Amino acid sequence: AQKVTQAQTEISVVEKEDVTLDCVYETRDTTYYLFWYKQPPSGELVFLIRRNSFDEQNEISGRYSWNFQKSTSSFNFTITASQVVDSAVYFCALRGKGGSEKLVFGKGTKLTVNP
Amino acid sequence: NAGVTQTPKFQVLKTGQSMTLQCAQDMNHEYMSWYRQDPGMGLRLIHYSVGAGITDQGEVPNGYNVSRSTTEDFPLRLLSAAPSQTSVYFCASSSPAGSIYEQYFGPGTRLTVT
Repeated sequence: AQKVTQAQTEISVVEKEDVTLDCVYETRDTTYYLFWYKQPPSGELVFLIRRNSFDEQNEISGRYSWNFQKSTSSFNFTITASQVVDSAVYFCALRGKGGSEKLVFGKGTKLTVNP
Repeated sequence: NAGVTQTPKFQVLKTGQSMTLQCAQDMNHEYMSWYRQDPGMGLRLIHYSVGAGITDQGEVPNGYNVSRSTTEDFPLRLLSAAPSQTSVYFCASSSPAGSIYEQYFGPGTRLTVT
């Protein structure tokens, strides 16, 4: 069975602080894919990143960075110098390779960035 | 491209009523799916389809029916609405089936069952 755990239900920071959102996953597949989605207060789901299980390179996109560690089954997301516009619910998701298209989502972390 | 569209955006039903949530995509995606989002629960898969004429159950299929007669459309039917089906419903699509690409989500339908 596949499972995604986002242990942080809510995080509150002050603008310009760095913040890390944790994601721990479980899967028996040797090939799998990890995703992060952002859901701003307006409600739509915005794709942020996809990572393959065989590519453990960390990725940086502007103020966003992702740390993928297979040894600890984690795919953490860091926002540097947070801004009020980063306030949203962030979801980590997992998809296995075993013929199934199903995305398994974590329960999400609500990030509030205060001015 | 309009992407993934969903109608209606909001709906209020009475217990026992039936209705269909519409989902359409204009990207010729093979894979389409329906999720429901409840507070503190993340998104849970209801039903999915890997192509026209092919559907399968997800994690929480009870009380919902789907069909896929065309590549573009994937409606979700509530047969007899219950308060437990109060939720936000998202439709998603991706292509090709079996690919690793991200799913594109529609804007959601907020359903309240009284």
